[in-house]
Amino acid sequence: DTGVSQNPRHKITKRGQNVTFRCDPISEHNRLYWYRQTLGQGPEFLTYFQNEAQLEKSRLLSDRFSAERPKGSFSTLEIQRTEQGDSAMYLCASSFGVANEKLFFGSGTQLSVL
Amino acid sequence: DQQVKQNSPSLSVQEGRISILNCDYTNSMFDYFLWYKKYPAEGPTFLISISSIKDKNEDGRFTVFLNKSAKHLSLHIVPSQPGDSAVYFCAAKVGGSEKLVFGKGTKLTVNP
Repeated sequence: DTGVSQNPRHKITKRGQNVTFRCDPISEHNRLYWYRQTLGQGPEFLTYFQNEAQLEKSRLLSDRFSAERPKGSFSTLEIQRTEQGDSAMYLCASSFGVANEKLFFGSGTQLSVL
Repeated sequence: DQQVKQNSPSLSVQEGRISILNCDYTNSMFDYFLWYKKYPAEGPTFLISISSIKDKNEDGRFTVFLNKSAKHLSLHIVPSQPGDSAVYFCAAKVGGSEKLVFGKGTKLTVNP
C-alpha cells in the first residue's frame, strides 16, 4: 500500500493528557497537510509543510498544538493538555507540490478525549 | 463564518438517474474549486476540480459547473450508481494559499 498512512487509527485519552499522531505521506510527495474534522462538519485546515518547512498555520492551531516534519518525510501532530473539544478526526494529506494539485488523504486518526 | 456552504445535508436518487449536488461560496477571492467524496472510515478522495477561469469541467460521469456571478457550483453525476453513495464535500481555495476550505458535505444515497 503506497497511500498516506496514519497511526494510530483510534486514540482514547483522558482530559489533560498529551497525545501524538503520526502521518507517513506518499513517498515522493513533498507537501504534507493536517486537517481536523468534527461530526457533521467538513475538514478544517490546520497546517501544511513544504518538505520540512511549516509554511502555513491556521488560527485553529492553538499553542497546545504542534506539528513537525523533521526530515521532510513523516510528520507528527502533538496535542498537549487535551480538552474534550479536541475530540475529532485528524486527517493527514500529501501532494507533489504542483499548484492546485489534488490532495491524497489518509484514513485519519479518531481522537476521543474523555 | 461558513465561506463554503452545502445547504443540502442529504440527497437520495434512483440508480441511473442524475445526481446534482450544490455548493455556494461567499469569498470572491476563491479561484479554484474541488469536489471530494468520502466513504465511511476512509479519508476524502479527490473527484474533480475546476478553475475559476472555466465554467465547466467534465470527467467521465462527473461534471462540475461553476457560476461565478452567482458564486455557485454544482456537481452532476450521470448516470448515478449505487457505488456513488458517499458524502460529497465541496472545497475551495484562494490563489497563493494551500488552505482548502470545505463545506459540511452532502450525503448522497443512490438506490438500486
